[in-house]
Amino acid sequence: GAVVSQHPSRVICKSGTSVKIECRSLDFQATTMFWYRQFPKKSLMLMATSNEGSKATYEQGVEKDKFLINHASLTLSTLTVTSAHPEDSSFYICSATDRTNYGYTFGSGTRLTVV
Amino acid sequence: GENVEQHPSTLSVQEGDSAVIKCTYSDSASNYFPWYKQELGKRPQLIIDIRSNVGEKKDQRIAVTLNKTAKHFSLHITETQPEDSAVYFCAAGPARNEKLTFGTGTRLTIIP
Repeated sequence: GAVVSQHPSRVICKSGTSVKIECRSLDFQATTMFWYRQFPKKSLMLMATSNEGSKATYEQGVEKDKFLINHASLTLSTLTVTSAHPEDSSFYICSATDRTNYGYTFGSGTRLTVV
Repeated sequence: GENVEQHPSTLSVQEGDSAVIKCTYSDSASNYFPWYKQELGKRPQLIIDIRSNVGEKKDQRIAVTLNKTAKHFSLHITETQPEDSAVYFCAAGPARNEKLTFGTGTRLTIIP
């Protein structure tokens, strides 16, 4: 079956620094990646949709300059949280699809803590 | 855009009894309705899904029903077991590979 690998699983960073989260599709070509954010005991909130080779489409209220998404290849998408603040602390999770055979396949998530 | 509401937010069920979780959606363009199970700190796992051309689908102890006219769909778990304890999310979207909007989640606790 489809597998999406997400790294790191946990990261602690200082305020003001940037953190990069990677999602890789291991056995299929992820033409589309979705990035979600999940607060404790809350639902998954879609942040942005990225298609390979084009700019990401951000949901309303999500700062594109703060949450940089790159989807340069069919197997890798990255989310960079720039100038992180404590309120950025959250669980970030990606989901990939090849738009044909494989539907939503979630990564394992990244718990970001900004101190 | 799509808006998905989910009830109840918490549900406790005696082991062996049935559990029902309900969701409503707003966008008539939604045609795909999956249900996910998420354990603490883990990724959501697809447990069952249904498309708009089907009214009901069953997979062993799990079933999903869809009323497209009323824009609501439900998850039914029968003969519940302790390992069914988790948070369950419904979602809605135009298709299996398109953007999904998630419900707010239901924390299901099975009481042994």
